[in-house]
Amino acid sequence: SYELTQPPSVSVSPGQTASITCSGDKLGNKYACWYQQKPGQSPVLVIYQNAKRPSGIPERFSGSNSGNTATLTISGTQAMDEADYYCQAWDSSIVIFGGGTKLTVL
Amino acid sequence: EVQLVESGGGLVKPGGSLRLSCAASGFTFSNAWMSWVRQAPGKGLEWVGRIKSKTDGGTTDYAAPVKGRFTISRDDSKNTLYLQMNSLRAEDTAVYFCAREGMLLGNAADYWGQGTLVTVSS
Repeated sequence: SYELTQPPSVSVSPGQTASITCSGDKLGNKYACWYQQKPGQSPVLVIYQNAKRPSGIPERFSGSNSGNTATLTISGTQAMDEADYYCQAWDSSIVIFGGGTKLTVL
Repeated sequence: EVQLVESGGGLVKPGGSLRLSCAASGFTFSNAWMSWVRQAPGKGLEWVGRIKSKTDGGTTDYAAPVKGRFTISRDDSKNTLYLQMNSLRAEDTAVYFCAREGMLLGNAADYWGQGTLVTVSS
């Protein structure tokens, strides 16, 4: 079965750039999206179709997808960006989530 | 405003059944593909399954761990999505979210409910 692999944790200083990776076999041939989830809240879509931002998502969130890796980049990271981030892709008609990455802003 | 409100969670014994509901408003529910996603305590997101709109066939897809035990259905006249869960196991304990797949967003889940907790324990 298809798997997506994320690092369990990433740390970043306020104002710096955070990059969260998501790896899967030939992932670049699929669409990837990313969700942000804060404690006790429902997930929020922050990137879809590899690099597009839904309405209301700040410009500091960007995405890319090539080869075997999709990347979520947060530029000028703010304390409010501290959260769990999940990548997601599709394997035929089945939805696959990565294991999630805890982003710590310190 | 799009709203998704889940209900029906609770405590159930192993082997038991439970039906979750998700009441939708603020969009044309009948046109939407809808998914269920779950999250075990302290764990990551896990896709459960989806149902397409009737115009797209109304078919369902399921994740391997729930296939044959869970059934997703919809009542477009009531703007409501359902998840029938049978033969429940301890590992089905989770918060269950319903989510809309955004047809203009490549089917990414653009709206989520607040979730309902299902606990499977004797």
